[in-house]
Amino acid sequence: DADVTQTPRNRITKTGKRIMLECSQTKGHDRMYWYRQDPGLGLRLIYYSFDVKDINKGEISDGYSVSRQAQAKFSLSLESAIPNQTALYFCATSEPGQPYEQYFGPGTRLTVT
Amino acid sequence: RKEVEQDPGPFNVPEGATVAFNCTYSNSASQSFFWYRQDCRKEPKLLMSVYSSGNEDGRFTAQLNRASQYISLLIRDSKLSDSATYLCVVNSDNFNKFYFGSGTKLNVKP
Repeated sequence: DADVTQTPRNRITKTGKRIMLECSQTKGHDRMYWYRQDPGLGLRLIYYSFDVKDINKGEISDGYSVSRQAQAKFSLSLESAIPNQTALYFCATSEPGQPYEQYFGPGTRLTVT
Repeated sequence: RKEVEQDPGPFNVPEGATVAFNCTYSNSASQSFFWYRQDCRKEPKLLMSVYSSGNEDGRFTAQLNRASQYISLLIRDSKLSDSATYLCVVNSDNFNKFYFGSGTKLNVKP
């Protein structure tokens, strides 16, 4: 089984709808991240969390919110989806200390029409 | 200015060729550096960390130049399976954040 899972894997939704993307991990890591990837722009950080009580905004948090329900679960919500939120969304985990590697989920492809 | 910049490519090379990618970063206080590999529509996976002294892993060699703020990746004897996008990643803000380049696409052709 994959260490970092994301649901759904693909989603098409309409403008104005609320949608939640979920991430679960079995790696036992405290740190979790949400990124979006757009062609030509690389991965951009939306939110990150270093433990259940610690939530931080990334570089593009507007229009998004998150919830860290447990060490293993980190959800991303789009309160009112808009077309320019169409992207590939990745969840990732890491541990503090060397080697600082991030482990990614398989991604969620979101299309907002 | 972007935190991390890469040439998007694509680099089209024949099998067996040697190819090199560079990446520049803007924050001189950056602490850790990585190359990730991403196959089409898949998640990024760590290829190798980049150490100050340079490091090698089989056909792959990574170098860091702190004075000029760039890192490089050299791939020798390219294989068809090396075709992918290579992401340069920099860890900054006291190890709290990772900044990704937009990636360099490599196509290795028979």
